[in-house]
Amino acid sequence: SQKIEQNSEALNIQEGKTATLTCNYTNYSPAYLQWYRQDPGRGPVFLLLIRENEKEKRKERLKVTFDTTLKQSLFHITASQPADSATYLCAPIYNFNKFYFGSGTKLNVKP
Amino acid sequence: KAGVTQTPRYLIKTRGQQVTLSCSPISGHRSVSWYQQTPGQGLQFLFEYFSETQRNKGNFPGRFSGRQFSNSRSEMNVSTLELGDSALYLCASSWQGAERGYTFGSGTRLTVV
Repeated sequence: SQKIEQNSEALNIQEGKTATLTCNYTNYSPAYLQWYRQDPGRGPVFLLLIRENEKEKRKERLKVTFDTTLKQSLFHITASQPADSATYLCAPIYNFNKFYFGSGTKLNVKP
Repeated sequence: KAGVTQTPRYLIKTRGQQVTLSCSPISGHRSVSWYQQTPGQGLQFLFEYFSETQRNKGNFPGRFSGRQFSNSRSEMNVSTLELGDSALYLCASSWQGAERGYTFGSGTRLTVV
């Protein structure tokens, strides 16, 4: 079965720096890979989707890369702010819209 | 437009009972998925419905079931509750599938005592 790995340790960075989060998957490559943000007690919020044939996707201060050779996606937040503090989940999507979520990485941005 | 609405927000049930959770997707969204979230296991996929048909199913026992109505509203049922079923149950909807991302509700917090 598919295994999704995200760094379980919290990432602590200083405001203004770039945060980089990692998502690794096993076995075969997903058709798409999504990134979500989740705040405590709330449902995840969709941020970005990248397709298997795309190397990079950007949205404002967010950037996602997808390397099918390394079986890895990186999620970057540039000029990070304390309001970016949350748990970030990656969700590779395989055939027929079957979702697997990583366990998430907690990001703490300190002022 | 209104988001995904899940009811109730909180629920306390006794072991052995059954429970039904409700999810109203965003108007026009035809795909509804259900997830279980626990601190130890993270987000686990339960099932996905599209146009009243179950399209995908996760690895949960048969005690977990669901359905979708013609107006896309969905219900999830858990029978013979166990203590381990205590979790946040999240519903997510999308227009047709995964490409545009899923919109999640705030979840139903189920506690089994």
